[in-house]
Amino acid sequence: AQSVTQLDSHVSVSEGTPVLLRCNYSSSYSPSLFWYVQHPNKGLQLLLKYTSAATLVKGINGFEAEFKKSETSFHLTKPSAHMSDAAEYFCVVSAAYQAGTALIFGKGTTLSVSS
Amino acid sequence: GAGVSQSPSNKVTEKGKDVELRCDPISGHTALYWYRQSLGQGLEFLIYFQGNSAPDKSGLPSDRFSAERTGGSVSTLTIQRTQQEDSAVYLCASSFAGTSGAYNEQFFGPGTRLTVL
Repeated sequence: AQSVTQLDSHVSVSEGTPVLLRCNYSSSYSPSLFWYVQHPNKGLQLLLKYTSAATLVKGINGFEAEFKKSETSFHLTKPSAHMSDAAEYFCVVSAAYQAGTALIFGKGTTLSVSS
Repeated sequence: GAGVSQSPSNKVTEKGKDVELRCDPISGHTALYWYRQSLGQGLEFLIYFQGNSAPDKSGLPSDRFSAERTGGSVSTLTIQRTQQEDSAVYLCASSFAGTSGAYNEQFFGPGTRLTVL
């Protein structure tokens, strides 16, 4: 079975400071991992994905995440936060062995960015 | 190109009524998913269609919920005898499902916000 745990329900940062959103996963198989972002009243958008290629994954809008198998983590980072980054972020796992398997979402982390 | 579309965007109904929610997936995507996003529950998988295979209904919360996919394209999620706890945003996603082992990026629609009074 697969699951994800987002360690913080809410993260607050100042504009221009680094962002760290933490995620731990559990998977019986080699996982595919994703980060999705949801802006207020907008649909879910894929930020980045890990699919057993490079362990450091770069996504859109300057975000990146590192897959660490030994720590079962897939934390999302960004060097410098922007006001437009304020949104809900979801860490997601999918079983890579089975095409079309449903995504398992974490509970989400709300990112607030202050000026 | 067109993304996943859902209708209606908002639906308000009275307790006990039936509702139908529609999803138009991206053309050519063989896999279609329904999720529910509600306060306190996060995002939950409901049901999954893949081509002509029998759907995976393991996420449906009760037998009041059902879904069908006609012609391998459009899908309708039906909730019978709605209850107040059914109030949520219902999201549809589609993906191209390739060979086993390939990851499947899912593209989400904007959702239907259902309010049961």
